[in-house]
Amino acid sequence: RKEVEQDPGPFNVPEGATVAFNCTYSNSASQSFFWYRQDCRKEPKLLMSVYSSGNEDGRFTAQLNRASQYISLLIRDSKLSDSATYLCVASSGGSYIPTFGRGTSLIVHP
Amino acid sequence: DVKVTQSSRYLVKRTGEKVFLECVQDMDHENMFWYRQDPGLGLRLIYFSYDVKMKEKGDIPEGYSVSREKKERFSLILESASTNQTSMYLCASLPGTGGAAAFFGQGTRLTVV
Repeated sequence: RKEVEQDPGPFNVPEGATVAFNCTYSNSASQSFFWYRQDCRKEPKLLMSVYSSGNEDGRFTAQLNRASQYISLLIRDSKLSDSATYLCVASSGGSYIPTFGRGTSLIVHP
Repeated sequence: DVKVTQSSRYLVKRTGEKVFLECVQDMDHENMFWYRQDPGLGLRLIYFSYDVKMKEKGDIPEGYSVSREKKERFSLILESASTNQTSMYLCASLPGTGGAAAFFGQGTRLTVV
């Protein structure tokens, strides 16, 4: 039983492209959501939190759809340096344990 | 910035050895976690702790134990290392207040031969 599901990819896109990832969560009590970025052989690092109203950080936009229980990450104007694995995370209000998806691999090519 | 430090980046141990992985955080976080990460399987929770001397089993605790004698330090112990415990081990910490993100150490790549 996996509570957070992601398409593993890889998503292979050219520089400058716009790419979107979705992530579904099964625990309807989930209240906190995040996207992490993980480079090869490195630790996951927080990319951005996901708020109910949606939020943007530069080229990155995160959205939450509570009714359908999914979160999304949109990357505009992709850079070579965006190549990484993107992990989505959901935590329920009653439990502080973050539940991670298995990650979506993004490869941005010239 | 939160700093979570794991004692080793790379370790090679022999089958049957007792292995200690140490993790220290400097932000007074209540919650600490140990995960292992394997290709195709993602992050799997081994143990977590929400307070000093408190510990809870995660999804895959077999073959592991933990110790939390001080708030800033959370140790993972492999009682008798086996080759199927070769993996990347990641420690994370999280404040006790709701809604916060977890911060990770740099990871320990353990090889058991």
